[in-house]
Amino acid sequence: EVELLESGGSLVQPGGSFRLSCAASGFTFSAHTMSWVRQAPGKGLEWVAGISGPGAHPFYAESVNGRWIISRDNSKNTIDLQMNSLRVEDTAVYYCVRDLCRGGTCWYFDLWGRGTLVTVST
Amino acid sequence: EIVMTQSPATLSLSPGDRATLSCRASQSVTNNLAWYQQRPGQAPRLLIYDASTRATGVSARFSGSGSGTDFTLTITSLQSDDFAIYYCQEYLTWPRFGGGTKVEIK
Repeated sequence: EVELLESGGSLVQPGGSFRLSCAASGFTFSAHTMSWVRQAPGKGLEWVAGISGPGAHPFYAESVNGRWIISRDNSKNTIDLQMNSLRVEDTAVYYCVRDLCRGGTCWYFDLWGRGTLVTVST
Repeated sequence: EIVMTQSPATLSLSPGDRATLSCRASQSVTNNLAWYQQRPGQAPRLLIYDASTRATGVSARFSGSGSGTDFTLTITSLQSDDFAIYYCQEYLTWPRFGGGTKVEIK
C-alpha cells in the first residue's frame, strides 16, 4: 500500500528540540522530493521544508530556516525533520507529503500522511 | 513574496448547487497553481495541478481554470462529501497556500 506514516508528536517546551520522522512505503521513494507541511490549530497550510530525491538537497521556508534540518535516508525510505529552537508559533499538525513528480520537483503534493501534532508550550 | 488570497472565506450552498471558488495571486504565477480539498479531521487531498489538470482519481465535477493571477475552482452538482475546505497553492517560487475557502451546507 502506498502510504506515509509520521512518528508521534509531542509536547515540547519553548526553546527545546524535537525530531519528527516519516516512513514511506509502496512507491519508489528515492525518486520523489519529500516535504513537511504544517497546519496550526484551526489555521491554513504552510510548507516548511523539502528535500529532493537522489541529491537530497534541502529547502526551507523562511520561518524555519536556520532552526530546522530536513534529511532523508533512501535506504530506509524515511525522512526526518530536526526541529530546534522551537517556538510557541511552531505548534501545529505536521504532515509528511510526497511531491507528485518523479525524478524532479514540482512542489505540489499528491500523497499526504495523517499528520502528527507537535505542541510547543510551557 | 507571492501572497495567495482566496475568496470567499465561506460559501454556503445546498447539495446539487454549483460552487465557484476564487484564488488570486499577488503577482503572476503563470499556471503554477494547485487546489486541495481538506475534509474535517483529514489530511488535504490534491485535486488540481497546473491550474487545470485533475489529479488521478478526482471526479470530473471538479475543474480548474485561470492563469497569471486569477484562478477558479468549480465544483458542479455538490455532493455531501464535497463540503470541506479548499486551498489553492502556488509553486512558481516556493509552495505557498491561500487561506482557504470553506464550503458549507446552507
